[in-house]
Amino acid sequence: DTEVTQTPKHLVMGMTNKKSLKCEQHMGHRAMYWYKQKAKKPPELMFVYSYEKLSINESVPSRFSPECPNSSLLNLHLHALQPEDSALYLCASSQNPGQGRGGEQYFGPGTRLTVT
Amino acid sequence: GEDVEQSLFLSVREGDSSVINCTYTDSSSTYLYWYKQEPGAGLQLLTYIFSNMDMKQDQRLTVLLNKKDKHLSLRIADTQTGDSAIYFCAPWGSQGNLIFGKGTKLSVKP
Repeated sequence: DTEVTQTPKHLVMGMTNKKSLKCEQHMGHRAMYWYKQKAKKPPELMFVYSYEKLSINESVPSRFSPECPNSSLLNLHLHALQPEDSALYLCASSQNPGQGRGGEQYFGPGTRLTVT
Repeated sequence: GEDVEQSLFLSVREGDSSVINCTYTDSSSTYLYWYKQEPGAGLQLLTYIFSNMDMKQDQRLTVLLNKKDKHLSLRIADTQTGDSAIYFCAPWGSQGNLIFGKGTKLSVKP
């Protein structure tokens, strides 16, 4: 099973809402990532969890709050978002965190988020 | 800072070879990756090359690395319409993360 799943596929939320994005992998990977991708742009790294601990936070605003309940699950909690946060949010996982082969990442299909 | 440059567009005819080029600045990159993204989808790892290699072939894909010039290329032989997508060059950066180029949109005409 080389699949990373993400739910929901689409999400529309108001600026006062609280919602969560979910990501799951069953490949036994020890690193999980959140990326944000705007239209016609490359993915931008947001957070990295390595062995269930937050290892990289790319200066992401606190209205985005990641959580890694166990080695297979990764959540992104959203609160008080702005319209400019509308984007495709991608989750990825890799076997080898923090090393060159850490770039061998498996991506989920993403959650298309629209903030109104 | 670390930077990765790619041309934004490439158009080829079905059956031809496609060559997507990339230049990068981080000479310490140990692994260099190519990812493919189809419309509305996540990224798919295509292939990678270790920095002590000059070439790697994987079926229709050939990766060439000129480490001295920090130049990476991806050649797709016998390009098919299903190869139409955006291709990202992504060296592994010194901060322990992928550094993505802006992506090259490959259009394959029948």
